[in-house]
Amino acid sequence: AQSVSQHNHHVILSEAASLELGCNYSYGGTVNLFWYVQYPGQHLQLLLKYFSGDPLVKGIKGFEAEFIKSKFSFNLRKPSVQWSDTAEYFCAVTSRNAGNMLTFGGGTRLMVKP
Amino acid sequence: GAVVSQHPSRVICKSGTSVKIECRSLDFQATTMFWYRQFPKQSLMLMATSNEGSKATYEQGVEKDKFLINHASLTLSTLTVTSAHPEDSSFYICSARDPGAGLNIQYFGAGTRLSVL
Repeated sequence: AQSVSQHNHHVILSEAASLELGCNYSYGGTVNLFWYVQYPGQHLQLLLKYFSGDPLVKGIKGFEAEFIKSKFSFNLRKPSVQWSDTAEYFCAVTSRNAGNMLTFGGGTRLMVKP
Repeated sequence: GAVVSQHPSRVICKSGTSVKIECRSLDFQATTMFWYRQFPKQSLMLMATSNEGSKATYEQGVEKDKFLINHASLTLSTLTVTSAHPEDSSFYICSARDPGAGLNIQYFGAGTRLSVL
């Protein structure tokens, strides 16, 4: 069974600091990878996704993620965070062998101090 | 992106009553919808996959008689929590797969916070 691990449960940063959130998955086959964001009181929104091609994926609001197959990782990055980035971030994976079911990581709660 | 509407956003009910939660895809037809449950400070756990015109597929450990799912049209799926008890209190989130956006893209509703007294 596929699984997703997010190592940082809570992250606190000051504005303009750089961000990197870790995500590792367990499945060894072909996967599709996602980062979702949930702002306070709002629904989950897709930040970015990786299906194939360039392993460095750029998403909305200045976020990017790099797929490193050898490390089974898909870390999320942003060079300079803003207070408005305060939210919970979820990494997720699907694979054909798992029936394209979306499996979520435990989430990382990011707080950006102004 | 596509919009998924979930209603109600919050419901409080007495123990033993049933609660229905609706999930609608507003600008696309969703042959497949998903129901998730999120416990406090935890991730989303898939409860069931709802397929239009057929029975839902439940994940292991999810009681199908407790959580009734109906996907009667291409834009509407409902989750009914039957005979709710305090342990059913949770945040329920639906999502819908937009075939036009690619096989694995899901769009999420805003969630329903259920509190059972």
